[in-house]
Amino acid sequence: QQQVKQSPQSLIVQKGGISIINCAYENTAFDYFPWYQQFPGKGPALLIAIRPDVSEKKEGRFTISFNKSAKQFSLHIMDSQPGDSATYFCAASKEEYGNKLVFGAGTILRVKS
Amino acid sequence: DAGVTQSPTHLIKTRGQQVTLRCSPKSGHDTVSWYQQALGQGPQFIFQYYEEEERQRGNFPDRFSGHQFPNYSSELNVNALLLGDSALYLCASIRGGSSYEQYFGPGTRLTVT
Repeated sequence: QQQVKQSPQSLIVQKGGISIINCAYENTAFDYFPWYQQFPGKGPALLIAIRPDVSEKKEGRFTISFNKSAKQFSLHIMDSQPGDSATYFCAASKEEYGNKLVFGAGTILRVKS
Repeated sequence: DAGVTQSPTHLIKTRGQQVTLRCSPKSGHDTVSWYQQALGQGPQFIFQYYEEEERQRGNFPDRFSGHQFPNYSSELNVNALLLGDSALYLCASIRGGSSYEQYFGPGTRLTVT
């Protein structure tokens, strides 16, 4: 019940297109869902996060859509740019668990110019 | 405002040896979590330190231990190194004991030969 399943494993998008990465979770006790962006040789950087009382959150070109009943959430990157090429991780946590993050396996995004 | 810092950047050790990794959290942050990220995988939670005590622990053997100092910096110690311990070790910094947002350092790349 601690798993977070992420898809696709890899994604190639044309510059200016929309990148969509999906995650699903089992544990309904999770109450915080962040997305992290990681470049090679670097640590993950917090990109955007959502709480389950909100169905959508937008920050610039990045949007999280959250479907509580389906236990799914997704990251949409609008107007994708070559600089967005990185590995993206979804995660979930719960305050009761000390906010330890349970990560998905990651999606390697390549934006072609 | 300094971000999360980790040292050393890279480390090569031999099987059976012991290693100590160090982390300094962001200014104003008092909680530190450690994660292990194997190549091509998402980070896995090792443990979390708050008020100089281990508060949460993931599914890692007792060979993995840690410490938090009064200035909130932290150390991760791994004894009796195995080849499978080769990974990127990440430190995450959190403000307050129950805050959700976690900020990662650049990591320490440990190679066990």
